[in-house]
Amino acid sequence: KNEVEQSPQNLTAQEGEFITINCSYSVGISALHWLQQHPGGGIVSLFMLSSGKKKHGRLIATINIQEKHSSLHITASHPRDSAVYICAVQTYSGGSNYKLTFGKGTLLTVNP
Amino acid sequence: NAGVTQTPKFQVLKTGQSMTLQCAQDMNHEYMSWYRQDPGMGLRLIHYSVGAGITDQGEVPNGYNVSRSTTEDFPLRLLSAAPSQTSVYFCASSRAGLAGYNEQFFGPGTRLTVL
Repeated sequence: KNEVEQSPQNLTAQEGEFITINCSYSVGISALHWLQQHPGGGIVSLFMLSSGKKKHGRLIATINIQEKHSSLHITASHPRDSAVYICAVQTYSGGSNYKLTFGKGTLLTVNP
Repeated sequence: NAGVTQTPKFQVLKTGQSMTLQCAQDMNHEYMSWYRQDPGMGLRLIHYSVGAGITDQGEVPNGYNVSRSTTEDFPLRLLSAAPSQTSVYFCASSRAGLAGYNEQFFGPGTRLTVL
């Protein structure tokens, strides 16, 4: 069983819609990352959070440590938001070592 | 700053050949990692390093070697390529934070095909 589950796997929206992508995990974590992978393949870090909420422009990420759940919201979605959104959890693996485990990603398509 | 650079961008190998994927970063980051990305699967950690001279295995290390002689460079060596190593390879770096990784910076990727 994958330690990180994302939902939905695929999401199609109309421009302007409010988008929510969910990430659930099953282990104790030190942080959670949200990443964006565009069709060209490049991967960009959007957020790293260990509690509460962060906001960058139209993107909002929240995390509930007790419920082991995080959400990524996109307000006023735009076709340029079309990408794969990846959740990754950071766990401590001994010494000064940490491990990142990734979800399989959510493919978002925003139609004009 | 160039950020994280990877070479080559594309590579085709025959089974049994060896090669090195190059990764370099100019941000003085302590942490560097190699991932592979396969269709239908999440990114999977191959090897990682928390500083020059220190490397460790990730989730899928078999068939790969790494070394970290400088802070900037973290090459990934395929010892004897197999078709199962056909994948897209990403290198990433990050500053060490209070609880491990900080924001990850990814290279553009290397698309490797093993025939």
